[in-house]
Amino acid sequence: GAVVSQHPSRVICKSGTSVKIECRSLDFQATTMFWYRQFPKQSLMLMATSNEGSKATYEQGVEKDKFLINHASLTLSTLTVTSAHPEDSSFYICSALNVAGVTGELFFGEGSRLTVL
Amino acid sequence: KNQVEQSPQSLIILEGKNCTLQCNYTVSPFSNLRWYKQDTGRGPVSLTIMTFSENTKSNGRYTATLDADTKQSSLHITASQLSDSASYICVVTLYTSGTYKYIFGTGTRLKVLA
Repeated sequence: GAVVSQHPSRVICKSGTSVKIECRSLDFQATTMFWYRQFPKQSLMLMATSNEGSKATYEQGVEKDKFLINHASLTLSTLTVTSAHPEDSSFYICSALNVAGVTGELFFGEGSRLTVL
Repeated sequence: KNQVEQSPQSLIILEGKNCTLQCNYTVSPFSNLRWYKQDTGRGPVSLTIMTFSENTKSNGRYTATLDADTKQSSLHITASQLSDSASYICVVTLYTSGTYKYIFGTGTRLKVLA
């Protein structure tokens, strides 16, 4: 099946630094990718929708200047957490939409665990 | 308002037993419904997908049902194994104005005990 690769899987950084997370669709083109945040024992919370070649659409309450999203190609979207703080520590997951597949099938990455010290 | 509700919130069963997870939705226009399994610290993995016209879909020991009239779906796990311990998420897709939108349920956390 289709594979979505997310990197890094774990990252620890100091408060105030920026962290970039990559999401790649390995065997299909994804015009749309989604970024989620997940707290322990909670469901995925959609942060933003990333469209190739255009600006991302952010959900209400998500700071676009804090979470920078770039979708420069049909197989890569990046999420940059700028000036990270301990409250940004979370599990971040991406998903990619395969419009060529079964009724817009959604494939998820393995997630990235961010810990800000 | 488009919503997906899952029950129970959590469930503990003994290995070898069967269980059924529920998903009720109020989503329009409905495109399809998926069940995902999410292991702790991992991304969700698709188990089944059903469109409006499909009533049941199986994937090994997982069987999903869909009643489009009552807007209910269930995921039945047969002969549970320890590896079934995970969160199970129901996701309903709607397709409108050329765009897919995904409505996530809050998930059911299943724990299978030896």
